[in-house]
Amino acid sequence: DIQMTQSPSSLSASVGDRVTITCQASQDISNYLNWYQQKPGKAPKLLIYGTSNLETGVPSRFSGSGSGTDFTFTISSLQPEDVATYYCQQYGTFGGGTKVEIK
Amino acid sequence: EVQLVESGGGLVQPGGSLRLSCAASGFSFSNYWMPWVRQAPGKGLERVANIKPDGSEKYYADSVKGRFTISRDNAKNSLYLQMNSLRAEDTAVYYCARDRGGATTIDYWGQGTLVTVSS
Repeated sequence: DIQMTQSPSSLSASVGDRVTITCQASQDISNYLNWYQQKPGKAPKLLIYGTSNLETGVPSRFSGSGSGTDFTFTISSLQPEDVATYYCQQYGTFGGGTKVEIK
Repeated sequence: EVQLVESGGGLVQPGGSLRLSCAASGFSFSNYWMPWVRQAPGKGLERVANIKPDGSEKYYADSVKGRFTISRDNAKNSLYLQMNSLRAEDTAVYYCARDRGGATTIDYWGQGTLVTVSS
């Protein structure tokens, strides 16, 4: 089975900062990589699909890149409403999550 | 509007059984792969099972294989998860979800139903 290693597990940044989360697959997964946002007590929400495609209605400050085994998720300018846990996903496997907080 | 509404969660003793249901609306249910995803308290996400649009293929996480059964009724726009031989480690919020693109991307999620396995 493919393993997804996400880092860091948590981070704290200031409003307006650029935030980067990485996800590494244990083998080549081409571009089948998605990113989700989950706020406390809520279901996850799809933000990025197919590595770099922004889901409809998602703000453009969110972006994704990568290929093969190494992928990156970026928030270009962190906003207070972005406080959440973010997960990468490849088919049936999710990364461990990254909790993003405001400093 | 796509809606997924789970029901059937609750408290069950170890070794017991529970059947979760998910009522889908707002889309052509019979055209989509449908997964169940769970989240233990304070933990990450785990896809426990998913099922092909026509029900002919089903996949399970190793952690539930042989104990859980996923099924669907396309005439009723409903998804099910039969959970047997429940263990404490099955305690979680269970989400019904919709897969698009041939089981590659979960684009809609229900609100979740809590299953607690405890004596």
